[in-house]
Amino acid sequence: GQNIDQPTEMTATEGAIVQINCTYQTSGFNGLFWYQQHAGEAPTFLSYNVLDGLEEKGRFSSFLSRSKGYSYLLLKELQMKDSASYLCAVMDSNYQLIWGAGTKLIIKP
Amino acid sequence: IAGITQAPTSQILAAGRRMTLRCTQDMRHNAMYWYRQDLGLGLRLIHYSNTAGTTGKGEVPDGYSVSRANTDDFPLTLASAVPSQTSVYFCASSDPTSGGDYNEQFFGPGTRLTVL
Repeated sequence: GQNIDQPTEMTATEGAIVQINCTYQTSGFNGLFWYQQHAGEAPTFLSYNVLDGLEEKGRFSSFLSRSKGYSYLLLKELQMKDSASYLCAVMDSNYQLIWGAGTKLIIKP
Repeated sequence: IAGITQAPTSQILAAGRRMTLRCTQDMRHNAMYWYRQDLGLGLRLIHYSNTAGTTGKGEVPDGYSVSRANTDDFPLTLASAVPSQTSVYFCASSDPTSGGDYNEQFFGPGTRLTVL
C-alpha cells in the first residue's frame, strides 16, 4: 500500500531552527510537495522536490532523497506565524497526490 | 472572484438528506479535485476531474458523486448523508498543462459539514 509518515506534533522556540521529516512508500514517484496549513484554513503550497537535493526558498528549505524515500522541511529563524500544520504529499504514478497526516508545529516564545 | 471559492462555508445536515457542495474556480485550470480532511488523517481524495466532461474516483468515493459540465465548476453531491461523512471538504485545482516545473494544487477555503 501507499504510506506517508511524518511526526504528529513538534514544538520549537521562536528564532530557532526546526526540521520536519517525512518518509514515504508509494507506487511511483512524480515529486514531493510540502504544504502549510494554518488552523481552520486551506493548505497552501510551500515547496516541491523531484530531484535529490536541497531546494531553498528564503527561510524554508526542503530536501529529498529518492533512494531513501525521505524528505525534510527545514524552517529557519522561526516566527510565531509559522505555527501551523505542515503536510507532506507525494505525487504517485497516476499523478495523484498521496498525503501524510501532517505535522502540527507549535512555536513557543 | 479570484482563485477557488466553495459554498457553503459550513453546514449541519440531518442524516439521509441530500447535499451539494459547490466549488468554482476562475483560473481556467483543467484539473479539479475533492478531498476530505479528518483529524489525524491526511487529505483523502474523493473524486477528481482531469478536464471538463471527465471524472474519476479517488481513494474514498463511496457515497459521493461529482459532475464537470464546464471548466469552472465541480460540485460534489452526497446523495444520502451519513454521520461518517462529517468532515471538512476541500476543493482544489491545478493545471498539468501549464508547462511549469510542477503541478501545484490550489485549494479553496473548505466546507465544514456535520451530519447528525
